[in-house]
Amino acid sequence: KQEVTQIPAALSVPEGENLVLNCSFTDSAIYNLQWFRQDPGKGLTSLLLIQSSQREQTSGRLNASLDKSSGRSTLYIAASQPGDSATYLCAVPPNAGNNRKLIWGLGTSLAVNP
Amino acid sequence: SQTIHQWPATLVQPVGSPLSLECTVEGTSNPNLYWYRQAAGRGLQLLFYSVGIGQISSEVPQNLSASRPQDRQFILSSKKLLLSDSGFYLCAWSEGTSGSNEQFFGPGTRLTVL
Repeated sequence: KQEVTQIPAALSVPEGENLVLNCSFTDSAIYNLQWFRQDPGKGLTSLLLIQSSQREQTSGRLNASLDKSSGRSTLYIAASQPGDSATYLCAVPPNAGNNRKLIWGLGTSLAVNP
Repeated sequence: SQTIHQWPATLVQPVGSPLSLECTVEGTSNPNLYWYRQAAGRGLQLLFYSVGIGQISSEVPQNLSASRPQDRQFILSSKKLLLSDSGFYLCAWSEGTSGSNEQFFGPGTRLTVL
């Protein structure tokens, strides 16, 4: 059964730091992996979707990497800004045969301090 | 471009009262639709998903039901609310059968049951 873990649960950094958020999954036979951002009291915003055949995806200051063999993905945020403060969640489909549902981590709550 | 709407944004209801939350998607056809609940301190819980009109899959036995009367309309209902139904309800969509499984979320409805 696929399980997703995100560590740390919370992170506080000064503005300008480069930082890494971690996502681990137990079944390496994933279809793809998605990273989302959630601002307090708001819906989720899709940040990056990385396919199982890809090693990384980039969008602006965000870079997501995927290592299926070790069951890990990292979200790298360069030159963090206060506007990056949010909860970041990762999710994977439960198995390769069912990619319409997602298994979710509990998220990492990020605070970037000016 | 595609957009997803949810209403109401906030709702305060007494225990035992009925519930109807509505979600509509614009700019796409035959989407997969999802209802999630996010309780304080807990992860996203998939409640229902639908791959077509009248086709509803229930993920968790509970006090809620869902319906899809039109292709781009998804409704979450309850006949009698419980205190435990309080939470943040999110609707999401993804492309239909052969499309991407990337999910896109609405702004959410904050439900408080008193």
